[in-house]
Amino acid sequence: AQTVTQSQPEMSVQEAETVTLSCTYDTSESDYYLFWYKQPPSRQMILVIRQEAYKQQNATENRFSVNFQKAAKSFSLKISDSQLGDAAMYFCAYRSYSGGGADGLTFGKGTHLIIQP
Amino acid sequence: GAGVSQSPSNKVTEKGKDVELRCDPISGHTALYWYRQSLGQGLEFLIYFQGNSAPDKSGLPSDRFSAERTGGSVSTLTIQRTQQEDSAVYLCASSSLMNTEAFFGQGTRLTVV
Repeated sequence: AQTVTQSQPEMSVQEAETVTLSCTYDTSESDYYLFWYKQPPSRQMILVIRQEAYKQQNATENRFSVNFQKAAKSFSLKISDSQLGDAAMYFCAYRSYSGGGADGLTFGKGTHLIIQP
Repeated sequence: GAGVSQSPSNKVTEKGKDVELRCDPISGHTALYWYRQSLGQGLEFLIYFQGNSAPDKSGLPSDRFSAERTGGSVSTLTIQRTQQEDSAVYLCASSSLMNTEAFFGQGTRLTVV
C-alpha cells in the first residue's frame, strides 16, 4: 500500500515571500500521479498542481511549482510571492496509474499554511 | 451540474440514529469517490464507484456503513446506528475516465451527539 507523509503540520510565511511545503511518499509502483490540493475553510478541496511520475520536468502553475525527485520519492510544493488567499490546509496526494482509479487518492495529513500580513 | 454537490452541508444527529448523506457528481463523470476527514487528519478513502458498481468496499469502516449509486449519477452514503467516532467531514469527489483530476464537493460535516 502507498503512504504519503507530510512532516510539517503547520508553516508560516510573510506575505510576498516564498514557502516550500514538504511531501514524501512510499510506493513500489513506477507509474503514478502526484497532486497538491488546497483546502480553505470552505472545506472544498481544490487542485493546485499535478505531476505525472513519468515526466521529468517539474510541473508549474503560475506561482506554484513542484520539486519532484522520483528516486527520493519526494514531491515538495513551492509557493512564490505568497498571498493572503493562499492561507489554507495543503494536502499532498498520490494516485496509482493502474487500477482505473479504484484505489482513489491517498492523502497525507496536511500542512496548515499561515500567511502573515 | 456545474460542480459536485453534497447535501446536507451540516448534520447533527443523536447517537444511534441513521443518517444518509447525498452526493450529486458532475454530469457525465463516471467515477465517484467517498472520503472521510476526521478532525486534524487527512482524508481516508472509503469507497469508489465506477458507474453504479463499487468494485471494492473494504475501505468502509464497519458494516454500519453502506453506499449506493443509482443511474450512474447520485450516490448516497448511509451510516446506521451512528456513533460519536463517526463525527467527521464526509467528502465526495468525481472524475471522468479521461481525466485523472478528482473534483470535490464541499462535504457534509456530521456531528454525532
